[in-house]
Amino acid sequence: SQKIEQNSEALNIQEGKTATLTCNYTNYSPAYLQWYRQDPGRGPVFLLLIRENEKEKRKERLKVTFDTTLKQSLFHITASQPADSATYLCALVMNSGYSTLTFGKGTMLLVSP
Amino acid sequence: NAGVMQNPRHLVRRRGQEARLRCSPMKGHSHVYWYRQLPEEGLKFMVYLQKENIIDESGMPKERFSAEFPKEGPSILRIQQVVRGDSAAYFCASSPTSMQKDEQFFGPGTRLTVL
Repeated sequence: SQKIEQNSEALNIQEGKTATLTCNYTNYSPAYLQWYRQDPGRGPVFLLLIRENEKEKRKERLKVTFDTTLKQSLFHITASQPADSATYLCALVMNSGYSTLTFGKGTMLLVSP
Repeated sequence: NAGVMQNPRHLVRRRGQEARLRCSPMKGHSHVYWYRQLPEEGLKFMVYLQKENIIDESGMPKERFSAEFPKEGPSILRIQQVVRGDSAAYFCASSPTSMQKDEQFFGPGTRLTVL
């Protein structure tokens, strides 16, 4: 069956450390993978997109890797801050010709001062 | 430039009533997507619309649910004869094109509670 798995347990880290979140998928062949941030009571906000033929993408303190052999994406936040505390969602974009998103359940990140 | 707007933000209905959820996409966006987020679940795709057309409704329940995006006005997600299991947060998103590399811009959601 098709699955997208993100750590269901919250990730607790100290301010200044690097947070690493994992997204694994099974029986999908995505063309793109996107990461979103969601705060309580709000809609998701786009962070980064990576294509299937890209290994790594960076934007400021964020870095995403995409390994289509392992069927895994890693999302890193360096020099984390309490304001980074939120739920992070990975979303797959299939080769359907348009951009509907298939989401994982998300991982909650808590950054303590 | 106003973002994606959804209303109402909170909606309470009794079982058997109808729920109408509205979504105004970002200015210049003609592609609208609806997602549902059940408690403790991830966001699930429901339907993808362009102006006056339903492109993909593969995630929408076959009965009681319908969606439209008229030439003028907001996109509407309509749930007839609501049941308790329809209680969820419903999010609308928009994008400027249908290209796979496009990010989606999400609204704040409508939280539907069915009593």
